[in-house]
Amino acid sequence: DADVTQTPRNRITKTGKRIMLECSQTKGHDRMYWYRQDPGLGLQLIYYSFDVKDINKGEISDGYSVSRQAQAKFSLSLESAIPNQTALYFCATSDPGLAGGDTGELFFGEGSRLTVL
Amino acid sequence: KQEVTQIPAALSVPEGENLVLNCSFTDSAIYNLQWFRQDPGKGLTSLLLIQSSQREQTSGRLNASLDKSSGRSTLYIAASQPGDSATYLCAVSFNAGGTSYGKLTFGQGTILTVHP
Repeated sequence: DADVTQTPRNRITKTGKRIMLECSQTKGHDRMYWYRQDPGLGLQLIYYSFDVKDINKGEISDGYSVSRQAQAKFSLSLESAIPNQTALYFCATSDPGLAGGDTGELFFGEGSRLTVL
Repeated sequence: KQEVTQIPAALSVPEGENLVLNCSFTDSAIYNLQWFRQDPGKGLTSLLLIQSSQREQTSGRLNASLDKSSGRSTLYIAASQPGDSATYLCAVSFNAGGTSYGKLTFGQGTILTVHP
């Protein structure tokens, strides 16, 4: 089984609908992230969470919200989806490293492809 | 603005060639730099992670170097194979007051095709 699991893997929806993408991890990491990838572009950070009570906006948080339900679960919501939110969404976790330090190495899920019509 | 740029955008080589992918970044104050591989429609696989105190990392046929002073990293692939065909992404964790771990800034990637 994958260490970082995203559901759904593919979703087609209509403009104005509420969508939730879910992420769960078995790596025991405190830090989790949501990134978005558009064709021909690199990944952009939407939100990140350093622990259950610590949630922060990334570069492109407008139109998105998140919920950190537990250490292992981090959900991304689109309250009212619009076509330009069509993209590939990735969840990631961060390696805690040794002696409490964080190496910063990221581990990614397989991605959730969202199409908004 | 902190940016990461990858050159070339695409590269096509015959099997067996050694090749170099380039990554440049605008701020030398970094925590680390990570190279990823992405296959079409798939997630990202971490290839190499270089901490800011390191100059290079090696894994099998892959070697990544880091020169903070010039804001550059290279990924060297030796004896390329068709199975190496993928998009290679460079990502930098910039130093922003102790909270940058894991907040990566990505380049647009280099699409590599290795033909038999």
